[in-house]
Amino acid sequence: EVQLVETGGNLIQPGGSLRLSCAASGFTVSTSYMSWVRQAPGKGLEWVSAIYSGGSTYYTDSVKGRFTISRDNSKNTLYLQMNSLRADDTAVYYCTGGGGLGPFDPWGQGTLVTVSS
Amino acid sequence: DIQMTQSPSTLSASVGDRVTITCRASQSITRWLAWYQQKPGKAPKLLIHKTSSLQSGVPSRFSGSGSGTEFTLTISSLQPDDSAAYYCQHYDSYPYTFGQGTKLEIK
Repeated sequence: EVQLVETGGNLIQPGGSLRLSCAASGFTVSTSYMSWVRQAPGKGLEWVSAIYSGGSTYYTDSVKGRFTISRDNSKNTLYLQMNSLRADDTAVYYCTGGGGLGPFDPWGQGTLVTVSS
Repeated sequence: DIQMTQSPSTLSASVGDRVTITCRASQSITRWLAWYQQKPGKAPKLLIHKTSSLQSGVPSRFSGSGSGTEFTLTISSLQPDDSAAYYCQHYDSYPYTFGQGTKLEIK
């Protein structure tokens, strides 16, 4: 069974940093396109970042220079390092397969990041 | 960036009704369009990709059509379990963007 499990969400002050993790099972992170998609409370979905199997990375403009997507092939885990967090980064962050010339599938259950003083 | 606009934003229909949701792209995305269903407190679920390809395990009452800039998601006979939010999303070029969503309620 394919499963993606996100961890690391928390309440953090503006300007702070947080690292999200996404552990995969039944799914190989190193040979797949992987993405992060977020959803602010009561709002729609927003693609945040993607990493290709070859290692190329892509970001939406609002997080460029602040967020970094990466993976640890030995742990079959995807990461999102988030620095200089702002209130408008508050959202549930979903780890997904795909996002590289294809739709997003599968999805994790999401982890909540709240940026507030 | 390519903007995706869905209509309607909310929709109320009865069990057995045929329901159509429209998604328009601000420029041509050929057929690189997906549809997702999201229930409250849950992650989105892929229903349809490449405009009309049904994801494995998705009931056949769901179908998609369109090309270029105009696309539709159709539910042929609405069921109680279909109460959810529906999102379209293009994957033509980065940044991949979603429609604002359509909330479907069962009367």
